[in-house]
Amino acid sequence: DTGVSQDPRHKITKRGQNVTFRCDPISEHNRLYWYRQTLGQGPEFLTYFQNEAQLEKSRLLSDRFSAERPKGSFSTLEIQRTEQGDSAMYLCASSPGQAAGELFFGEGSRLTVL
Amino acid sequence: GIQVEQSPPDLILQEGANSTLRCNFSDSVNNLQWFHQNPWGQLINLFYIPSGTKQNGRLSATTVATERYSLLYISSSQTTDSGVYFCAVEYPGGYNKLIFGAGTRLAVHP
Repeated sequence: DTGVSQDPRHKITKRGQNVTFRCDPISEHNRLYWYRQTLGQGPEFLTYFQNEAQLEKSRLLSDRFSAERPKGSFSTLEIQRTEQGDSAMYLCASSPGQAAGELFFGEGSRLTVL
Repeated sequence: GIQVEQSPPDLILQEGANSTLRCNFSDSVNNLQWFHQNPWGQLINLFYIPSGTKQNGRLSATTVATERYSLLYISSSQTTDSGVYFCAVEYPGGYNKLIFGAGTRLAVHP
């Protein structure tokens, strides 16, 4: 399968711990996006990469959050000192980078902070 | 920023019924996508439809960009159609970044 892949699918952690999520985009897609979705809401944009460059960050991305895409392929999203309010589904998407291109999403990583 | 409103927020159908979901957006868009979120949380692409009409089996969609709305039609609904349907739009210069509506929660009963 050559879709967007995310790992882990589920993560349960205690408040104050650090967690890291990985996203592997569709091969040759140069744009990669992270979204967060809380219960009953639509996904909300967090950040976006064009190749290895992080070009936009939402105000939702506090300083406890950091994202990287070191070689323009896979990306990681790290949350430091997790809080209960961080519990959510973290979704990754990629697009080919055309002027108006279709986004494809992964299965998501569900985080529960106890 | 651009606003995306979906209606109705909740919809209950008997199997075999037809339905229409609506998405209104507040400004010009480059792109509009419809997704179905399955029970495991994955967003499944239904349509990439910045304008015009497309059909895929029992589903079809129409976007009237000049009037800033899109419609998703589901015909002969099945229980497997249950879930949340999201409309998402990309504004000009948005680098494919999608802004989502709050979704329509559909339950199809046998």
